[in-house]
Amino acid sequence: DTEVTQTPKHLVMGMTNKKSLKCEQHMGHRAMYWYKQKAKKPPELMFVYSYEKLSINESVPSRFSPECPNSSLLNLHLHALQPEDSALYLCASSPPLRRWQFFGPGTRLTVL
Amino acid sequence: DQQVKQNSPSLSVQEGRISILNCDYTNSMFDYFLWYKKYPAEGPTFLISISSIKDKNEDGRFTVFLNKSAKHLSLHIVPSQPGDSAVYFCAASARSGGYQKVTFGIGTKLQVIP
Repeated sequence: DTEVTQTPKHLVMGMTNKKSLKCEQHMGHRAMYWYKQKAKKPPELMFVYSYEKLSINESVPSRFSPECPNSSLLNLHLHALQPEDSALYLCASSPPLRRWQFFGPGTRLTVL
Repeated sequence: DQQVKQNSPSLSVQEGRISILNCDYTNSMFDYFLWYKKYPAEGPTFLISISSIKDKNEDGRFTVFLNKSAKHLSLHIVPSQPGDSAVYFCAASARSGGYQKVTFGIGTKLQVIP
């Protein structure tokens, strides 16, 4: 298994909803990442987990709450989002001792 | 403040010719550079990388050149093929503690014309 999977592919939510994005990899990677990408912009790092511990939080608003229940799974819990949070959310993982990342296909999020 | 800049938003090249995609960076702490390719509705796919201690890395049709003094890198694709049509992101990485932080450029859309 050499891929990163993300569910759902698309998500539409209201500003009062609570939803979660899920990311999974079974490649034994111990670093996992969440990125946000707006249209015509580069991916922007949100969070980094290293060995299931949150290592980097790039000053992301608390309405985004990451969770890493185990070494294969990464969640992003969403609550009280704003329309400007609409974007493509990408998950990635990287192999030990390697500097490149494997990306999932992303979840296209629309906040109404 | 963009630390990784791709100044050409798009590039069109004839099939069989060379494609050259350029990237500039400003942060001297970057010590590893990567190129990713992205098709629509997919996540970025790692293509090729180069460490700051090298000036060239080659993998098949893809070669990355690094000029540290100019803080410039480029990706050469030769010969270009229609399947290479995609958005190419330049990325730069710096180690921060035990993990790395990657900064992406805005991307260059390459179109290879058959």
